[in-house]
Amino acid sequence: EIVLTQSPGTLSLSPGERATLSCRASQSVSSSYLAWYQQKPGQAPRLLIYGASSRATGIPDRFSGSGSGTDFTLTISRLEPEDFAVYYCQQYGSSPTTFGGGTKVEIK
Amino acid sequence: QVQLVQSGAEVKKPGASVKVSCKASGYTFTSYDINWVRQATGQGLEWMGWMNPNSGNTGYAQKFQGRVTMTRNTSISTAYMELSSLRSEDTAVYYCARRRRTGRWFDPWGQGTLVTVSS
Repeated sequence: EIVLTQSPGTLSLSPGERATLSCRASQSVSSSYLAWYQQKPGQAPRLLIYGASSRATGIPDRFSGSGSGTDFTLTISRLEPEDFAVYYCQQYGSSPTTFGGGTKVEIK
Repeated sequence: QVQLVQSGAEVKKPGASVKVSCKASGYTFTSYDINWVRQATGQGLEWMGWMNPNSGNTGYAQKFQGRVTMTRNTSISTAYMELSSLRSEDTAVYYCARRRRTGRWFDPWGQGTLVTVSS
């Protein structure tokens, strides 16, 4: 199965700053079948990005995804207070689908 | 709006079984797969398996083979996940999530059901 490694484990930033989150796959993710989810405490994950770079419905354009093959990035251009959360990547190109371990974006 | 609403929290003893429900609304239940994902406290997301509500076909993660069963009742647009031979390590929040048949990302997710396994 494809192992996804997210880095850093924790990102300490201030509102208004740019966040760059990495997701690296142990083998190539076919057709860029990679998604990003946001999870806040006590809530279910919410889809942000699918197909590596397509924003889900209702997701602000400060969220962007990029990458292909084994290296993917989620960028939050200017952090808003509501963006402090844990972010997970998921590959769904190969079975079984797998998730990364998550990156926590916390307020500095 | 598209929504998945799960059943309430459960407390079970080791060795018992638990059955969690996931009621879909706002879309055609049989047109999308339902997946189940669990999350232990403070941990990441672990995929358990999928079910096609139209055919009833299922696919389970190897880790859960023989212990998990996913079923549905199309008349009430509800999916079920039953996990047997519970142990303390199964204590987690269990989520259902809708998955497209093309694209295959998960959206939306249910609100989660906490299953606690304790003697």
